[in-house]
Amino acid sequence: GAGVSQTPSNKVTEKGKYVELRCDPISGHTALYWYRQSLGQGPEFLIYFQGTGAADDSGLPNDRFFAVRPEGSVSTLKIQRTERGDSAVYLCASSPSPNYGYTFGSGTRLTVV
Amino acid sequence: QQQVKQSPQSLIVQKGGISIINCAYENTAFDYFPWYQQFPGKGPALLIAIRPDVSEKKEGRFTISFNKSAKQFSLHIMDSQPGDSATYFCAASEGGTSYGKLTFGQGTILTVHP
Repeated sequence: GAGVSQTPSNKVTEKGKYVELRCDPISGHTALYWYRQSLGQGPEFLIYFQGTGAADDSGLPNDRFFAVRPEGSVSTLKIQRTERGDSAVYLCASSPSPNYGYTFGSGTRLTVV
Repeated sequence: QQQVKQSPQSLIVQKGGISIINCAYENTAFDYFPWYQQFPGKGPALLIAIRPDVSEKKEGRFTISFNKSAKQFSLHIMDSQPGDSATYFCAASEGGTSYGKLTFGQGTILTVHP
């Protein structure tokens, strides 16, 4: 596609529920990143995929967070047992290769009530 | 540990003026320094970037100045326009065998008055 697509754009969920956030990167981009942006803050790194494998998941805050990219294209960020503190905008970005300027999607705004 | 500190938090400039945003970093392994522009409801968009082998880079009205010894870099927006009103983030990443993981500053909300 023309850009990085993230769905849904907004998600409201109840505390304790499970959510999935989807990212469609730019076609052909092998590098994919997830970031989390809290209100009034800069994005914080969560996880990086090169192809199908998670090359660095050091930014995932705890084991309730998990991400997959089974075919090296679409990625899904999964959050179990959501907490109010998980409320944030989750941003996905992709690039043709590591160390190349990347393109962000518009994000998914997650609100846990 | 905050590795990239950005200032000011907010900035108000008159149309035609110069906007200046500053960042300081701690990690001497950083070797790629981009600036991102973000509008409400959108993801950050790459504006301009610099590597430490040059002290200045200019693209149109946007200039990055880089001071390696001071571990500081700044964004200058010349002839600021109301359309430049947005949040600006500096960032940094380690090169070499790294993969482009970015550490962002806290952001600066720029308002340009007509």
